[in-house]
Amino acid sequence: AQKVTQAQTEISVVEKEDVTLDCVYETRDTTYYLFWYKQPPSGELVFLIRRNSFDEQNEISGRYSWNFQKSTSSFNFTITASQVVDSAVYFCALSEALGGGGNKLTFGTGTQLKVEL
Amino acid sequence: DTAVSQTPKYLVTQMGNDKSIKCEQNLGHDTMYWYKQDSKKFLKIMFSYNNKELIINETVPNRFSPKSPDKAHLNLHINSLELGDSAVYFCASSLPGQGANTQYFGPGTRLTVL
Repeated sequence: AQKVTQAQTEISVVEKEDVTLDCVYETRDTTYYLFWYKQPPSGELVFLIRRNSFDEQNEISGRYSWNFQKSTSSFNFTITASQVVDSAVYFCALSEALGGGGNKLTFGTGTQLKVEL
Repeated sequence: DTAVSQTPKYLVTQMGNDKSIKCEQNLGHDTMYWYKQDSKKFLKIMFSYNNKELIINETVPNRFSPKSPDKAHLNLHINSLELGDSAVYFCASSLPGQGANTQYFGPGTRLTVL
């Protein structure tokens, strides 16, 4: 069975600090996909990134960066120079292909990030 | 403009009632989903439909019945509501594919059962 662990329940930082959100996953699939979603206080789920298991290159998008390490089954997310608007719950998710199309996301329990002035 | 929309956004009802939540997507996707987020923010898949056909039912009670009249719509009907059904329900959609495709979520429907 697929499993995603986000050990950090809550993280508090001061604005402009860098912060890393950890994600560790378990799967028996050789091909799989990992995702990060953001859930701000308004409640919607916002897609941030998708990474496939064949691509271990790190990715950077503005202040966001992701470190995928297959050897440790981790897909960590770093926010550089955090801002108050980054305050949200961040979810890591692992995708499992479904017969007949589509995919099933297994989510971690989320990390609540609070960025204070 | 809205990609995945849900109605209503809030739903407050009494135990034992029957209610429906509607979901529509204009992304041209073939696959749609329902997820439940509990009070601890844990997200779990409930159903998945591909091109109007049920793909997965994750041990959801029979009181929950999804209906997909066409590819762009996936509604969720809940009979005999119980206190434990209180949660946020998210609809999502994606292209079909072997696990690769991104799921885009609606804004959620907060259901409160009194």
